[in-house]
Amino acid sequence: GEQVEQLPSILRVQEGSSASINCTYENSASNYFPWYKQEPGENPKLIIDIRSNMERKQTQGLIVLLDKKAKRFSLHITDTQPGDSAMYFCAARKASSGSWQLIFGSGTQLTVMP
Amino acid sequence: GGIITQTPKFLIGQEGQKLTLKCQQNFNHDTMYWYRQDSGKGLRLIYYSITENDLQKGDLSEGYDASREKKSSFSLTVTSAQKNEMAVFLCASSIQQASAETLYFGSGTRLTVL
Repeated sequence: GEQVEQLPSILRVQEGSSASINCTYENSASNYFPWYKQEPGENPKLIIDIRSNMERKQTQGLIVLLDKKAKRFSLHITDTQPGDSAMYFCAARKASSGSWQLIFGSGTQLTVMP
Repeated sequence: GGIITQTPKFLIGQEGQKLTLKCQQNFNHDTMYWYRQDSGKGLRLIYYSITENDLQKGDLSEGYDASREKKSSFSLTVTSAQKNEMAVFLCASSIQQASAETLYFGSGTRLTVL
């Protein structure tokens, strides 16, 4: 099946610094790229997304970048706080038999150290 | 707001046993999904359903059956549980396939096979 590669799998940063997570996808027809955050014991929740007609999107300390040529997208968390510690998943939407599927990356466990 | 309810929260089975997981949503969403979450492997799509009585296979459908009995409910059956299997099964829903992309997840069913 289609793959979405996500790196790194583990990321530790100091409080106040930035954190970056990178994902690559295979299908050039993919047109939507969300990011989900899963806190311990919780279900994943959408935090930010970007469509293929954009290269950059920013909201509340989160920046996502999309490079369609390289089939690469990334999440940047500025001024990290302990509350940002969680598992983060990227995803890419692909067409499949007349419908759409979200293919998720394998996740990044982010720990923000005080 | 709505909610997605998964039952049971914890499921312990025996090798070879047939096990059923249930999911209910009151968002009135058209599309529902079953994902499997394994440590280090992210979220992998098992089955999804665009509307009542519809069923579409994901990349991980082998070994599973699913049933969309009505719009609000989507059940997943593990046809023959594998010994030492441990995973979290996440149900999700979205408004419709074509335009809305946000997935709303349930809190999961944690499966352990003895």
